Amino acid sequence: DAKTTQPPSMDCAEGRAANLPCNHSTISGNEYVYWYRQIHSQGPQYIIHGLKNNETNEMASLIITEDRKSSTLILPHATLRDTAVYYCIVRVGSDRGSTLGRLYFGRGTQLTVWP
Amino acid sequence: DGGITQSPKYLFRKEGQNVTLSCEQNLNHDAMYWYRQDPGQGLRLIYYSQIVNDFQKGDIAEGYSVSREKKESFPLTVTSAQKNPTAFYLCASSKAPGDRTEAFFGQGTRLTVV
Repeated sequence: DAKTTQPPSMDCAEGRAANLPCNHSTISGNEYVYWYRQIHSQGPQYIIHGLKNNETNEMASLIITEDRKSSTLILPHATLRDTAVYYCIVRVGSDRGSTLGRLYFGRGTQLTVWP
Repeated sequence: DGGITQSPKYLFRKEGQNVTLSCEQNLNHDAMYWYRQDPGQGLRLIYYSQIVNDFQKGDIAEGYSVSREKKESFPLTVTSAQKNPTAFYLCASSKAPGDRTEAFFGQGTRLTVV
């Protein structure tokens, strides 16, 4: 099962882009990369996910390298409310029996946005 | 509004007592999950269910039990056999186990055993 590696903490100035890296060098072909964030003492909030193409939504952009061994979450204009722990997760996306659909969380990256 | 609801938000229990945490979803999702989070740690999977009347152990199932009698509900019982039950517990659901869409999380239950 693929696991992810993220820096424990990062900071970013308000209004600037926040680029959060994630390494998932053992990811397999049917595993998707998901990003969630968790504000203190709340449930994780979905941000974005992808398989191999870059993705963009109203919250963020996801850049996945061609070999799929790493990805970067980009928050284009960070605000103070983006301060949270960001989790990069791989998820089994096709039938692999009992592991189907599981989300593998690491410790995430604490992003602090400062004024 | 559709969503996933955990109750209560805070729970205190004496050591040696069993306690049941509630998780209800009205999203018509097939798959439901229970995670445990300790301070400064990521989420660890306790149990998950892909369909009604079926569930599988996750990575840290010892001392916990679940049931899935209804699609909407996936209660977690923390038994007296769980050595260190104080933690933040999160429930999640998704359309189907292999679905490509996102999983939704509840707001969590913080259990403190004294």
